Amino acid sequence: GNSVTQMEGPVTLSEEAFLTINCTYTATGYPSLFWYVQYPGEGLQLLLKATKADDKGSNKGFEATYRKETTSFHLEKGSVQVSDSAVYFCALTERNQGGKLIFGQGTELSVKP
Amino acid sequence: DGGITQSPKYLFRKEGQNVTLSCEQNLNHDAMYWYRQDPGQGLRLIYYSQIVNDFQKGDIAEGYSVSREKKESFPLTVTSAQKNPTAFYLCASSNSRESAQYFGPGTRLLVL
Repeated sequence: GNSVTQMEGPVTLSEEAFLTINCTYTATGYPSLFWYVQYPGEGLQLLLKATKADDKGSNKGFEATYRKETTSFHLEKGSVQVSDSAVYFCALTERNQGGKLIFGQGTELSVKP
Repeated sequence: DGGITQSPKYLFRKEGQNVTLSCEQNLNHDAMYWYRQDPGQGLRLIYYSQIVNDFQKGDIAEGYSVSREKKESFPLTVTSAQKNPTAFYLCASSNSRESAQYFGPGTRLLVL
């Protein structure tokens, strides 16, 4: 079945450091890929998405590229801020699965001043 | 402003009691979803509905029930059959043409 695997956290970085959170997936068809962010005590916010191979999603300085050959969708940001501290979820959905999202386990990011 | 609202923010359940969590959206989305999140874990799908008056079980439907009488509303009932209901419950909706899901702020359910 479909699945998503993320790098384990917590990830601790200093402010202005470069961020990479790895995400790989297994899917039988052609999924759409997403990154969501969750701040403490809140719901999930859509951060970015990509719907086909080689698409790059970007938002708020975060980027991720849909790599079909390596089945990956790694999240990157050039310079993190303390306000980026949150849990990040990678997810996929396939059109023939009723729009169900399959989530990774989440990666906690902590940015220190 | 368009969005998804969930109420209440916190809910307490006594033994043997059924409780209902509210989810409303004014995004004109066709599909709605309920997820459960346990501490330090990802989200698991409870139920989903792609159209009014129709819904399907997700991966962990046992002990839960839903209804979809209106496009805007998708309430979730946690029944007494759910033996471990303490969790954070998240509702989401999507426009089936786009496939991205948008989430509400969540309801935290605690057992007294």
